[in-house]
Amino acid sequence: KQEVTQIPAALSVPEGENLVLNCSFTDSAIYNLQWFRQDPGKGLTSLLLIQSSQREQTSGRLNASLDKSSGRSTLYIAASQPGDSATYLCAVWASGSARQLTFGSGTQLTVLP
Amino acid sequence: GAVVSQHPSRVICKSGTSVKIECRSLDFQATTMFWYRQFPKKSLMLMATSNEGSKATYEQGVEKDKFLINHASLTLSTLTVTSAHPEDSSFYICSAVNRGRYGYTFGSGTRLTVV
Repeated sequence: KQEVTQIPAALSVPEGENLVLNCSFTDSAIYNLQWFRQDPGKGLTSLLLIQSSQREQTSGRLNASLDKSSGRSTLYIAASQPGDSATYLCAVWASGSARQLTFGSGTQLTVLP
Repeated sequence: GAVVSQHPSRVICKSGTSVKIECRSLDFQATTMFWYRQFPKKSLMLMATSNEGSKATYEQGVEKDKFLINHASLTLSTLTVTSAHPEDSSFYICSAVNRGRYGYTFGSGTRLTVV
């Protein structure tokens, strides 16, 4: 059974800092990996989708990497802003026809002005 | 592109009544949609996989008769919480997969409060 772990569970940084969020998974036979952002009381917003054949994806100040062999992904946020404060969730797509997502428990990020 | 619309965003109902939540894919067809439940400060728990034109597949521990799922078209799935009780109060989120570059797209969620 796939297990996804996110470290740290919570992170507080001053505005302007670069930061890294970590995600690890136990079964490397994944289809894709996706990073989401969730604001309090809201749904999930997709940030980056990394296909299993890719090693990284970039969007603006965000960069996500994927190392399937070691079961790890990182989300790098450059020049953090207070508006980046949210919970960040890593989700792994299962291989096979079901394509179900397994979520990590999330990292709650607070960027202080 | 790849927008999933979920309604209502909030609903308060009396214990014993039923509540229907709708999930629509607005600009793509979704043969499969997923329903999640989220408890405060917890991650998402998959409840069921909704398949267009066939019965939903429920995760272990999820009551089929309590959480009725209908996926009658390629753009609409509904979750009905039947005979709701206060312990059913939660945040429910649907999602669908777009086969393009957007991956999974999630609805905005429904906050259900049973009083």
